[in-house]
This record gives sequence, C-alpha cells and structure tokens, in this order.
Amino acid sequence: DVKVTQSSRYLVKRTGEKVFLECVQDMDHENMFWYRQDPGLGLRLIYFSYDVKMKEKGDIPEGYSVSREKKERFSLILESASTNQTSMYLCASTPGPSSGNEQFFGPGTRLTVL
Amino acid sequence: GENVEQHPSTLSVQEGDSAVIKCTYSDSASNYFPWYKQELGKRPQLIIDIRSNVGEKKDQRIAVTLNKTAKHFSLHITETQPEDSAVYFCAASIDFGNEKLTFGTGTRLTIIP
Repeated sequence: DVKVTQSSRYLVKRTGEKVFLECVQDMDHENMFWYRQDPGLGLRLIYFSYDVKMKEKGDIPEGYSVSREKKERFSLILESASTNQTSMYLCASTPGPSSGNEQFFGPGTRLTVL
Repeated sequence: GENVEQHPSTLSVQEGDSAVIKCTYSDSASNYFPWYKQELGKRPQLIIDIRSNVGEKKDQRIAVTLNKTAKHFSLHITETQPEDSAVYFCAASIDFGNEKLTFGTGTRLTIIP
C-alpha cells in the first residue's frame, strides 16, 4: 500500500512567517506534486518534481518554492506567508514513466494564515 | 497550457438514478484522462481513467466516455448509491512522461435517499 504522509493536518501561521509543509512517500516514487485546493477552483498545481533536486513550476508557483533533497521527501515553502495562501494543500506522488499514472495523495494540510 | 472545464459544479440525483459529469479540454495533445473521487474530509482517489486510443471504459457502475474530436469526456455513474456522494474531479494530461495533470474545478454529487 502506497503511503503518502504530510507533516501536519492543520497549521495556523501569521502573515510574513516562513512556512514549511513536508510530504513523504514510502514507495520509491519518482514524481511528486504539490497542489492547493480551494472551493470552486479544484486542484491547482503549484510545483512538481520528477527527480531528486529537480523541480518544475506548475500553474500557480508565485509565492512558493520547493525542495527535494531526498527521493521520498518533497517540501513546499512559503517564504513569507500571506492571507491569500490560506488553503488546503495536497501532496501527491506517482511511480514514474511507464509505471502507472495514478496519483497517490496525502491527507492534506489545512493552512490558515492570519 | 491545458485548460479543463467541468460541469455541473453541483449535482443532486435520487438514489438509483444515473449521474453524468462532463469535462472539456483545450489541448488536442492530451492523451490521458483520469477521474478522482474525494469523499468529505478524505484525500482524492482515482476511480477510473481512459487513454486517447479508447472511446469508452467501464468498471461496474462507473463508465467514462471520450470524444477526441470534440475534446470532451464524461463520467457516468449508474444505479447511484449514498456512498457515491462526493466531489468528483476530472483531469487531463499532455505530458505522459511525468504525469502532470490539469484538473477540472470539481462536481459535488449528492445522492438523495
């Protein structure tokens, strides 16, 4: 069973704080993704990574950065949190090319920025 | 980039009736179309997918159809049950190599007992 875990289910931060969201998968997956989920807007891709130390911008990368120092861990960083970054953040992973396309999601982190 | 539109945003059907959710995509290069189901408070999970070389795929009460010419695909759920109540997301992929998906905005399906 693929397991994708996220460091926190709920997080409350203040405007201007630096925020780290961690995601870990235990199935040796190549690709990892960060999405934010907002009502009426669906799942929007922030960043993704298809290899260690590799990263690609998604559709809404502004205000975010990522780090992938190890294959199993993909971190999302909010350098200076703002209220419009209040959202549900979902991490996902896939095995890699020719190994299946199913995205396995983590449980999500609900971030509130005050 | 790819753009995926999904309709309707909410859908209520009587238990036992059928439900249909429709999506359109913009990029004719898209070749993979999955559907994810997200129950309340839970993570999205893949329920069915279809590739561009297939027009229809069925899995028990769930089916997906694809019209590449019109660039739209649909999810059909027959004999709906209360446990089908959830938010459903369609998605499209134009980059098979790293499975980058563009999601629709979601449909909240409510099954009325």
